[in-house]
Amino acid sequence: DIQLTQSPSSLSASAGDRVTITCQASQDIGNHLNWYQHKPGEAPKVLIYDTFDLEIGVPSRFSGTGSGTDFILTITSLQPEDIATYYCQHYNNLLYTFGQGTKLEFK
Amino acid sequence: QVQLLESGGGVVQPGRSLRLSCAGSEFSFDSFAFHWVRQAPGKGLQWVAAVSSDGNTKYYADSVRGRFTISRDNSQSTLYLQMNRLRPADTALYFCVREWIGGGRPDYWGQGTLVTVSS
Repeated sequence: DIQLTQSPSSLSASAGDRVTITCQASQDIGNHLNWYQHKPGEAPKVLIYDTFDLEIGVPSRFSGTGSGTDFILTITSLQPEDIATYYCQHYNNLLYTFGQGTKLEFK
Repeated sequence: QVQLLESGGGVVQPGRSLRLSCAGSEFSFDSFAFHWVRQAPGKGLQWVAAVSSDGNTKYYADSVRGRFTISRDNSQSTLYLQMNRLRPADTALYFCVREWIGGGRPDYWGQGTLVTVSS
């Protein structure tokens, strides 16, 4: 089974900072990697799908890159509303795997 | 507007069973695959199981395979999760999740139903 390892597990940053979160897969997963934002009391929201593609309505300060086993989510200028937990997720047909999450907090 | 309404959660003793339901409305239920995803208290998201639109293909996480069964009744627009031999580690908020019709990611989530396994 494929495992996804996110780092860091938690992160403190200031408004306007550039933030990067990494996700490493235990084997080559091509570009089948999505990124989610999850705020308490809300449903998780897909930000980036298929490694690079921005979901409709998601601000352009979010971007994704990578391939194979190494993937990165970047927030170019952190905003207060970006405080949340972020997850990477792999899909293989209907079989999903989530990373363990990265909790993003304000410094 | 798409709605997914979970029900069936509650407090149950270890080793007992529970069945979750998810009623879908305002869309063509039989056109979509579905997942169950859970979140234990203070923990991250964990995928549990998935079923194809016609109900013929099912997938399970290793931690629940052999104990949980996902199923659907398209005539009733309802998704189910039969959970047997429950363990304290199964305590979580269980979400019903619709897969985007093009595949590869979800597009709608329910609000979740809480399952607590405790003696």
